[in-house]
Amino acid sequence: GAGVSQTPSNKVTEKGKYVELRCDPISGHTALYWYRQSLGQGPEFLIYFQGTGAADDSGLPNDRFFAVRPEGSVSTLKIQRTERGDSAVYLCASSLLGYEQFFGPGTRLTVL
Amino acid sequence: QQQVKQSPQSLIVQKGGISIINCAYENTAFDYFPWYQQFPGKGPALLIAIRPDVSEKKEGRFTISFNKSAKQFSLHIMDSQPGDSATYFCAAEGVGAQKLVFGQGTRLTINP
Repeated sequence: GAGVSQTPSNKVTEKGKYVELRCDPISGHTALYWYRQSLGQGPEFLIYFQGTGAADDSGLPNDRFFAVRPEGSVSTLKIQRTERGDSAVYLCASSLLGYEQFFGPGTRLTVL
Repeated sequence: QQQVKQSPQSLIVQKGGISIINCAYENTAFDYFPWYQQFPGKGPALLIAIRPDVSEKKEGRFTISFNKSAKQFSLHIMDSQPGDSATYFCAAEGVGAQKLVFGQGTRLTINP
């Protein structure tokens, strides 16, 4: 596709449930990033993949958050036992050369 | 720990005027400074970026000014237009860090 795509665009879940958020990066981009953006704030880094491996997961807030990229393209961010504080827009970005990151439209997660 | 501080939080400029947004950083290891534009419900879009080996970069109506000694950089939007109304984020990335650190954002409104 022409840009980074993310699905679903909106996700409403109940506290304690499990959710998966998907990211399709720009074709050929080897680097993939997840960020979280709370209302009125700048995006905050969560995790970075180079190929299939997580090169830096220092931004994941706790062990309820996990992300995979098994074939080096599509990535899934998984959140277990969701809490109301997890409500935010989850952004995915990809890059080819490691600097210019191109963002998707995000998934708005609401935990009731 | 706020590594990139952005000001002002909000800015109102008349059509045709100059919009100026400022950012300051603390980490001297940062070597890449992009600006992103974000419209409501959309992901951030890369606008313009600079490396610290130059003091200014211009692309169309958008200019980044960079002051390495003061650890500050700014975005200037010349001939501001109503279509420029959006939230702008500065960011920084360190050598090999592969993750962007964002400022808090500036909500820019251009009055017609």
